[in-house]
Amino acid sequence: GENVEQHPSTLSVQEGDSAVIKCTYSDSASNYFPWYKQELGKRPQLIIDIRSNVGEKKDQRIAVTLNKTAKHFSLHITETQPVDSAVYLCAAPHNQAGTALIFGKGTTLSVSS
Amino acid sequence: EPEVTQTPSHQVTQMGQEVILRCVPISNHLYFYWYRQILGQKVEFLVSFYNNEISEKSEIFDDQFSVERPDGSNFTLKIRSTKLEDSAMYFCASSAEIRETQYFGPGTRLLVL
Repeated sequence: GENVEQHPSTLSVQEGDSAVIKCTYSDSASNYFPWYKQELGKRPQLIIDIRSNVGEKKDQRIAVTLNKTAKHFSLHITETQPVDSAVYLCAAPHNQAGTALIFGKGTTLSVSS
Repeated sequence: EPEVTQTPSHQVTQMGQEVILRCVPISNHLYFYWYRQILGQKVEFLVSFYNNEISEKSEIFDDQFSVERPDGSNFTLKIRSTKLEDSAMYFCASSAEIRETQYFGPGTRLLVL
């Protein structure tokens, strides 16, 4: 089964700076990597995902990169704003045929103005 | 935009009691999931359900847990005899297909006393 490690556990940046969160996975057959944003007491909400047939995907200020050789994928947030403050969760499929998502422990991002 | 809904939002129960958590997945979705998140910890997969049967389950999902789709819209998680350590936020999720975006409900916060 899959194991997902996420770093850092906390990240504090100034408004306008960039933030990068990295996750590593163990199963080389994994092919789908979503990122969720979770505000305090709320549901995880998908912000971006990437599949193993591409190396990078962008959506406005958010981008995700995937390195299949090294088995890691990263979330990049540019021009951070206080509204970006939340817990960010990465995930990977439990196994190649599976339906379950295995989540990292989360990164608490704090953006100060 | 369609959303996954869950009831109740909060549930307090005594140890040893049975609880049923209810979810209404997005209407055209085929895959349903339950996850839990103990306070301050990561989101953990419990079970996935497709075509009226369990697709996958984790080690957490022992004989005390069961899932059911009693009608065309509801998806339930039953805990037969609750333990203190079952206290957590329980999230239901659904997806249109395997490896597609899993949309999470708002969660049910379960407190076992």
